[in-house]
Amino acid sequence: KNQVEQSPQSLIILEGKNCTLQCNYTVSPFSNLRWYKQDTGRGPVSLTIMTFSENTKSNGRYTATLDADTKQSSLHITASQLSDSASYICVVPYSSASKIIFGSGTRLSIRP
Amino acid sequence: EPEVTQTPSHQVTQMGQEVILRCVPISNHLYFYWYRQILGQKVEFLVSFYNNEISEKSEIFDDQFSVERPDGSNFTLKIRSTKLEDSAMYFCASSEGQGLNSPLHFGNGTRLTVT
Repeated sequence: KNQVEQSPQSLIILEGKNCTLQCNYTVSPFSNLRWYKQDTGRGPVSLTIMTFSENTKSNGRYTATLDADTKQSSLHITASQLSDSASYICVVPYSSASKIIFGSGTRLSIRP
Repeated sequence: EPEVTQTPSHQVTQMGQEVILRCVPISNHLYFYWYRQILGQKVEFLVSFYNNEISEKSEIFDDQFSVERPDGSNFTLKIRSTKLEDSAMYFCASSEGQGLNSPLHFGNGTRLTVT
């Protein structure tokens, strides 16, 4: 069964600290994995897309990794800011762009 | 940066009423989508639309739902007779290409509340 599982479900850290969010997927065939940031009451915004051949990709303070062998991805946030408070959703499409599996997300809260 | 816009941001309606949710996709995008997110749950795919017709739809997208591109800019989702369980955030999205590597651009959603 095609699934995307994320952990932790929620996370609270202090401003300035680093954190890592996890995503495990069982989607076949695999093409790419995307991380989205969703602020409360807003639509998801794409942070990064990881294709099969990519291991690491950075977007500012966000660094995503992908291990296609273990079917795991992580999103590392460096020097967190209050504006990083949001849900982070791991998304894996299969068969077509329409058939996309969304993870449940990690709710990240940054405390001053 | 161009963005997908949705109106209204919040819609309250009574059970059994018809609602139309509106979206203006990014102008050079060719593929359009509707998703919904029930409070506290995952985002779910409803329907995709290309070349003025539905290309894919999910089990959720039953006969009560319809989509339309009435002109060159708008993309609408109609729910004919709303039910309590239709209460959710409805997100419109668009993409430049249909390929798996073409990222989706989401609007900020319409919160639909059915009473």
